[in-house]
Amino acid sequence: GEDVEQSLFLSVREGDSSVINCTYTDSSSTYLYWYKQEPGAGLQLLTYIFSNMDMKQDQRLTVLLNKKDKHLSLRIADTQTGDSAIYFCAGSTDSWGKLQFGAGTQVVVTP
Amino acid sequence: NAGVTQTPKFQVLKTGQSMTLQCAQDMNHNSMYWYRQDPGMGLRLIYYSASEGTTDKGEVPNGYNVSRLNKREFSLRLESAAPSQTSVYFCASTDTTYEQYFGPGTRLTVT
Repeated sequence: GEDVEQSLFLSVREGDSSVINCTYTDSSSTYLYWYKQEPGAGLQLLTYIFSNMDMKQDQRLTVLLNKKDKHLSLRIADTQTGDSAIYFCAGSTDSWGKLQFGAGTQVVVTP
Repeated sequence: NAGVTQTPKFQVLKTGQSMTLQCAQDMNHNSMYWYRQDPGMGLRLIYYSASEGTTDKGEVPNGYNVSRLNKREFSLRLESAAPSQTSVYFCASTDTTYEQYFGPGTRLTVT
């Protein structure tokens, strides 16, 4: 199975870049995901990356994957107060889409 | 499209009581999932259904049963609730390995 670890808290000033880090254990992970959870809501997929990619950019979001170190990061450029949320890293190793989630990183954006 | 809906939104049970959490999706997805979310632990998979008529255990199935009633609906039953089952329960569905769509969650407290 997959174990996924994340830092628990990140404080960032509005307008700065945020970087959220994640490590995973299973090198056979085929897809790696970043989900966002706002207070009282379900999870929303932000972006995903295939295991054969090193980087993926999607507007303000940049995902970096270091397969050698099994390290995944999410960079949010020009962080806004609306980016305050919990961010979950998740991995999938099978075709049924079963996800293994990290504990989540709480991001607080201050004006 | 309502997406993934869950009922009820909140529930308080006494130890030993039973209840069923309902989930429905209107996206014609084949696969559906039940997760629980506990503080500091991320989401853990309870059961999943890869297609109508099939169900399989996830990481934490003990104390739960599921029914895939039809393609739209996937219910989670607690036969004899225990305080350890106090949690937030999320249902999700997908038709690919790329994105799972999550419901808003059910907050369950067992006293």
